Amino acid sequence: GAGVSQSPSNKVTEKGKDVELRCDPISGHTALYWYRQSLGQGLEFLIYFQGNSAPDKSGLPSDRFSAERTGGSVSTLTIQRTQQEDSAVYLCASSSGVGTGRTQYFGPGTRLTVL
Amino acid sequence: GQNIDQPTEMTATEGAIVQINCTYQTSGFNGLFWYQQHAGEAPTFLSYNVLDGLEEKGRFSSFLSRSKGYSYLLLKELQMKDSASYLCAVGNQAGTALIFGKGTTLSVSS
Repeated sequence: GAGVSQSPSNKVTEKGKDVELRCDPISGHTALYWYRQSLGQGLEFLIYFQGNSAPDKSGLPSDRFSAERTGGSVSTLTIQRTQQEDSAVYLCASSSGVGTGRTQYFGPGTRLTVL
Repeated sequence: GQNIDQPTEMTATEGAIVQINCTYQTSGFNGLFWYQQHAGEAPTFLSYNVLDGLEEKGRFSSFLSRSKGYSYLLLKELQMKDSASYLCAVGNQAGTALIFGKGTTLSVSS
């Protein structure tokens, strides 16, 4: 596609429910990243995919968070038993590879609100 | 630890020049990036520095000093549309993630 797309753009859920957030990277980009942006905070790295594998999951805040990528393309971030502190904008980015100078291109994000 | 500092807010007038500073202390370094983010939109890439010195790209320039852990973004001939948040980010050692500062909100007035 022309750019990174994410769905839904907004998600409101109740505490304790599970949510799935979707990311479609730029066509041909092998690297995919998830970040979250909480109010007043900088973007916080969550997980990185190269192809379908995730060699860096160091940013996932708890075992309630998981992500997968299939076909080297679409990725889904799942949050189980959501908590109010999970409320944030979840941003996905992709790049043509990994390493020095690889620019990450961001999607518009999914705004998650946990009531 | 990882620490990236930049001012929270800055104001400037149309046509002026503004410099947004960023200092970093990170366990690894794989380049320094600047992104622009308008409210409610995706961050968009502005510049990348991996070697010391100044990179110029139109109205925007970015400078890096690795020995000082310091970068700045220089915006010239400011326009109203430049009102946005400017995010400083450092690539981690493995090149697998960006470590972001909290961003600087720039307000440009006429």
